[in-house]
Amino acid sequence: KQEVTQIPAALSVPEGENLVLNCSFTDSAIYNLQWFRQDPGKGLTSLLLIQSSQREQTSGRLNASLDKSSGRSTLYIAASQPGDSATYLCAVSNPTGGGNKLTFGTGTQLKVEL
Amino acid sequence: DGGITQSPKYLFRKEGQNVTLSCEQNLNHDAMYWYRQDPGQGLRLIYYSQIVNDFQKGDIAEGYSVSREKKESFPLTVTSAQKNPTAFYLCASSIGGRGWGETQYFGPGTRLLVL
Repeated sequence: KQEVTQIPAALSVPEGENLVLNCSFTDSAIYNLQWFRQDPGKGLTSLLLIQSSQREQTSGRLNASLDKSSGRSTLYIAASQPGDSATYLCAVSNPTGGGNKLTFGTGTQLKVEL
Repeated sequence: DGGITQSPKYLFRKEGQNVTLSCEQNLNHDAMYWYRQDPGQGLRLIYYSQIVNDFQKGDIAEGYSVSREKKESFPLTVTSAQKNPTAFYLCASSIGGRGWGETQYFGPGTRLLVL
C-alpha cells in the first residue's frame, strides 16, 4: 500500500527566503506526482504535475523535482512571499484498481512572515 | 467560467439522517472523485467514477453512496451508517479516458457537521 510522507509538518520563514518542502513515497511504481496548494477552508489548487518519466517541472517561482527510484520529491519556492502562506500537499498516482487514484501526504503548513 | 461547484458550503446532519452533497462540473471531464479530509490526515478517496453510469469504491466507501447519471454531476450521500461523518468533503474531476497522468481539479469543498 502506497504511503506518502511530508516533512516538515509546519514551517515558518521570513519573507524573501528560498525554501524546500519534502515529499517521500514508499512505492516507486507511480505514474505521476502532483503538488497542490490549499488555503484554509478551501479546495485544492494544482501547482505542478511531474510525470514519472520527468525529473522536474517549473512554474514561476516554483520548481518541483522527482527522484522516482529513491521515492522522493521536493518543491522549491524561491523568494517566498506572505501570499505563499498555505498548506502544500503532494500526491502520487498509482495504477491500482483502475482510474487516476491519488494518495495524498498530510501536508506542510507554510507561513511566510513579513 | 469553467470549474467545479460544490454545495452547500456547510451541511448539518442529525443522528440517523442521510444527507447528500452536490458536485457539478462544466469542464466536460469524464472522471470524477470524492475525497474526505480530516485534521492531521491526508485526503482519502471515498468513491470515483471514470464514466457516466459507472463508479468504484475508494479506500473508505463504507457508509457512503454515489450515483453518476449525468456526466457533469456526481452527488455523494452520507448515510446513517457512517458513524463519524464530520469532515471536509472535496470533489474533484479529471479529463479521464486516457488512462493515467491527469491533473485533478478540485471544488471548494463542503464541511459536514453533526448536530
